[in-house]
Order: sequence, then structure tokens, then C-alpha cells
Amino acid sequence: QKEVEQDPGPLSVPEGAIVSLNCTYSNSAFQYFMWYRQYSRKGPELLMYTYSSGNKEDGRFTAQVDKSSKYISLFIRDSQPSDSATYLCAMSLLSPYSSASKIIFGSGTRLSIRP
Amino acid sequence: DAEITQSPRHKITETGRQVTLACHQTWNHNNMFWYRQDLGHGLRLIHYSYGVQDTNKGEVSDGYSVSRSNTEDLPLTLESAASSQTSVYFCASSESRRGGSTDTQYFGPGTRLTVL
Repeated sequence: QKEVEQDPGPLSVPEGAIVSLNCTYSNSAFQYFMWYRQYSRKGPELLMYTYSSGNKEDGRFTAQVDKSSKYISLFIRDSQPSDSATYLCAMSLLSPYSSASKIIFGSGTRLSIRP
Repeated sequence: DAEITQSPRHKITETGRQVTLACHQTWNHNNMFWYRQDLGHGLRLIHYSYGVQDTNKGEVSDGYSVSRSNTEDLPLTLESAASSQTSVYFCASSESRRGGSTDTQYFGPGTRLTVL
């Protein structure tokens, strides 16, 4: 079983729709949760991150973490064609004994917003 | 502006050849990472470095090596390229923070490698 599971899609929705992207994970020790956006033939870029459980909002994007269910979500409101990309969830352990934490990535969900 | 670059962007090679992919960052980040990205697997960590002269194996390190002689560069070498190493390779870097915080990783544009 992979540590992080993500539906690969593709997911196609009309412009203006609310998009929900999700990941599940198996390691209850994960504390730091991220969403990366990757446009075609580009490197991933960090979109949002949250620490532990709860919600975080940034413009049209909302990240949600439910640690009890080991489930994280990214919601996109008023979706735009420019949101068409692959979205990767990612998570990491907090380690006080190392200077950097390794990140475990989901396989990514390909999203297409139809004009 | 500070950035992270990779070269070449595209490479075709033959089975058994040695190949080196370059990664260069100008942020002065201590931490650097190499990933490969394949359909159905997402990003998988190959090797990583926390500073000069430091290298560590990641999840899929067999057949790959890295060396870190300065802060800016972490070249990835495929000792004897295999068809299974056909993939898109991404380099990333992040700052070092003490106290257990997680660092944001900044990714390069990727190198598309084909091994025939």
C-alpha cells in the first residue's frame, strides 16, 4: 500500500464550478500537508500548505486536513481554465533531529477546466 | 532573480552509457533533492543532500549517484543507463531550518530522459 493515495483523474469540469481534489494517507505521523500545482512540462510549484488538522484559505483555494480520517482536500472555487494542471498532494513528518524533512508525494490528479 | 536550473532539458541516450544531469540553484539553499516522475508513481525521491559533502539515498537510488562539492550544484549520474530509467527528472532545493520545521521545496523545470 502506498503511503499517499491520490486519484489520477483526469477530472474535467466546466468553468466556474467548484473543484474538490482529495488524498488519503496511511502514516498517522504526518504533520505537514501541502498541495503542489504542476503545469504541463513544468516543475511542481507549492500552492498551499497546512500544519496538522484544520482549514486554510487563500483566495479561491481552500485546503482542508482531517487527521482523524487521514484525508486531505483541496477546494477550488470559481474554477478558471488557467487552473488546468496536475495537482499533487504531499506530506511530511516533522523531525526535530534533521535539518530538513523529506516530502512524500501523491501521484497527482490531472484537472481540466472547460471554458 | 534567484532560481534553480536543470540541463539538459531533453536527453536521449543508449543503454549502458553514463549520463549526468545537472542541477544548479542560486538561492544558496543547503538542501537539494533529485526526484523522478513517472505516470502512476508521482514524484519519487532518488537522492538528497543537506549540505556540501553530504549525500543520502532516497526511495529509488539504485543505479544513480550524486556528489555535492559546492552549495549551488547537485549533479545526478546514471552509471549505466537502463530503459527503466526513462523518466522526467526534477531537481529541488530548500532552506535549512533548525527546530524541526518543514522546508518549502522549489523545483527546477525538469529533464526529460529517454534511454533507448
